[in-house]
Amino acid sequence: DAEITQSPRHKITETGRQVTLACHQTWNHNNMFWYRQDLGHGLRLIHYSYGVHDTNKGEVSDGYSVSRSNTEDLPLTLESAASSQTSVYFCASSAAGGATDTQYFGPGTRLTVL
Amino acid sequence: QQQVKQSPQSLIVQKGGISIINCAYENTAFDYFPWYQQFPGKGPALLIAIRPDVSEKKEGRFTISFNKSAKQFSLHIMDSQPGDSATYFCAASMSEKLTFGTGTRLTIIP
Repeated sequence: DAEITQSPRHKITETGRQVTLACHQTWNHNNMFWYRQDLGHGLRLIHYSYGVHDTNKGEVSDGYSVSRSNTEDLPLTLESAASSQTSVYFCASSAAGGATDTQYFGPGTRLTVL
Repeated sequence: QQQVKQSPQSLIVQKGGISIINCAYENTAFDYFPWYQQFPGKGPALLIAIRPDVSEKKEGRFTISFNKSAKQFSLHIMDSQPGDSATYFCAASMSEKLTFGTGTRLTIIP
């Protein structure tokens, strides 16, 4: 069965360190998205990609970067982790130009920045 | 600027009752309105969705009511069950990107 996975599931890091969160999907979807989830804010879009070598900034992109070298993966990098980036991060994917815009979410990565 | 406003923040409903969650949006360019359900420790999963050219969509116990002129839509859960206890997010889509509401934590009590 097609799926979307994230790793690690939990991560503790220190302020100033670079951190990369992995996202891998086997849906063969062109669209991939990264969100952060914080109490009172719902899910906020960090970065998104409509295909290989395409990346775009979302609502809360400062301090984050992504790159898309293949269809399956969209890693999220925190260049210099800050305590404000402590959050739960979700990756999602969807088919481009489909009849619906259904996004399929991964299980999430809980990141703590000390 | 919050483009999708969701209420209430939390909701407690007795088993067998009707749960109602409301959302309002600002941007008339949104063209797809899904509801996602999230259980603790899991990612959100699509529950039901509607396009703005229809006023209502029903799937089992779940119904979306959509009012285009008021720019509002709501989720109704009939005969609410303890297994429905979860966090619900409304969302609105434009250019295949979703903007989410802030979520409603629903608790169904026996």
